[in-house]
Amino acid sequence: SQKIEQNSEALNIQEGKTATLTCNYTNYSPAYLQWYRQDPGRGPVFLLLIRENEKEKRKERLKVTFDTTLKQSLFHITASQPADSATYLCALPVSGGYNKLIFGAGTRLAVHP
Amino acid sequence: DAGVTQSPTHLIKTRGQQVTLRCSPKSGHDTVSWYQQALGQGPQFIFQYYEEEERQRGNFPDRFSGHQFPNYSSELNVNALLLGDSALYLCASSLEGRVEKLFFGSGTQLSVL
Repeated sequence: SQKIEQNSEALNIQEGKTATLTCNYTNYSPAYLQWYRQDPGRGPVFLLLIRENEKEKRKERLKVTFDTTLKQSLFHITASQPADSATYLCALPVSGGYNKLIFGAGTRLAVHP
Repeated sequence: DAGVTQSPTHLIKTRGQQVTLRCSPKSGHDTVSWYQQALGQGPQFIFQYYEEEERQRGNFPDRFSGHQFPNYSSELNVNALLLGDSALYLCASSLEGRVEKLFFGSGTQLSVL
């Protein structure tokens, strides 16, 4: 069956460092992959989408890579700030007639001053 | 420009009762997807509505049903509530049945006692 795996343990880093989060998937060849940010008690907020023919995508302090051979995406936040503390979710489209988006369990990031 | 709005924000029900949750999509969007998110988990896909039809369904029992109205707003109904139905219910909107870049509401927190 198709699976999306993210680090279940929280990631604790010091302010100013680079945070790297991992998303792995199996039994699947998605056309693109998305990353969302979720704060407690709120809905996810879209951050970035990267397509299968793109190796890397950047948006301000965010960088996403997509390795379709390894079936893995890495999500980087450079110069991290306490305000970056949140849960980060990766999501993939699953087609079955019509697309639906499925999510990983998310990785909680805590940036300490 | 109004984003996705959900009501109510919180709800407490007892086992066996029925509940209706409501969602208004972002202005200009015509597709609504519903997700269930248990504490510490990623959002789980329930179903998607487009053109007033259920187009995709996740692994949820028939107790979960929905509807989309001509103005694109949507309802999620859950019958015969179980304790395990306690979760954050999220509505997400998008365009033309696509799932690239979903816009989420803040959710309805349902507690079943």
